[in-house]
Amino acid sequence: ETGVTQSPTHLIKTRGQQVTLRCSSQSGHNTVSWYQQALGQGPQFIFQYYREEENGRGNFPPRFSGLQFPNYSSELNVNALELDDSALYLCASSQQSGANYGYTFGSGTRLTVV
Amino acid sequence: RKEVEQDPGPFNVPEGATVAFNCTYSNSASQSFFWYRQDCRKEPKLLMSVYSSGNEDGRFTAQLNRASQYISLLIRDSKLSDSATYLCVVYSSASKIIFGSGTRLSIRP
Repeated sequence: ETGVTQSPTHLIKTRGQQVTLRCSSQSGHNTVSWYQQALGQGPQFIFQYYREEENGRGNFPPRFSGLQFPNYSSELNVNALELDDSALYLCASSQQSGANYGYTFGSGTRLTVV
Repeated sequence: RKEVEQDPGPFNVPEGATVAFNCTYSNSASQSFFWYRQDCRKEPKLLMSVYSSGNEDGRFTAQLNRASQYISLLIRDSKLSDSATYLCVVYSSASKIIFGSGTRLSIRP
């Protein structure tokens, strides 16, 4: 059973650029959620996808968008990057909505915006 | 007020000690509760789910108090390997997953 994999592991972008982060969910999981974790803080919920539809969203602006594909892998897109977007971006997958089973996390993508 | 609040610590306790963390949440409609553990520069890993009846997994005991809107984690006979940040997680009714900011625990020999 493969776990959650994220790519790339590290990324440096310039302010104003756009970035796409990718996530492959764990086998058997159909729900993917994305988080932003700043240094010394807990992960902040960005949004969740269940069967290719967004079914939950945190307090992030519309320039944070996502997709889930038929194989349940997912992308996080961030437009018009700002310096404060520098963080660790975590993807997590679960069975169904995760309410009963918890989430399995990938090791994250560390994004630096300069 | 934050939706989920934790004492950030750090808690610095000797090996073998018992340590307890609390986490409060503001949304009374919250459905599910978990404790995660996060080691330095690693991803969070599920430690245990939390139920009103309380649940135990070896040295770890978790408890949910819906009336007072808090969850707790008790670690008995702490080991050096328990040093980590412990995150409480609340799953709300609006498909939102809220993490606390984490409690840092350091076990000293």
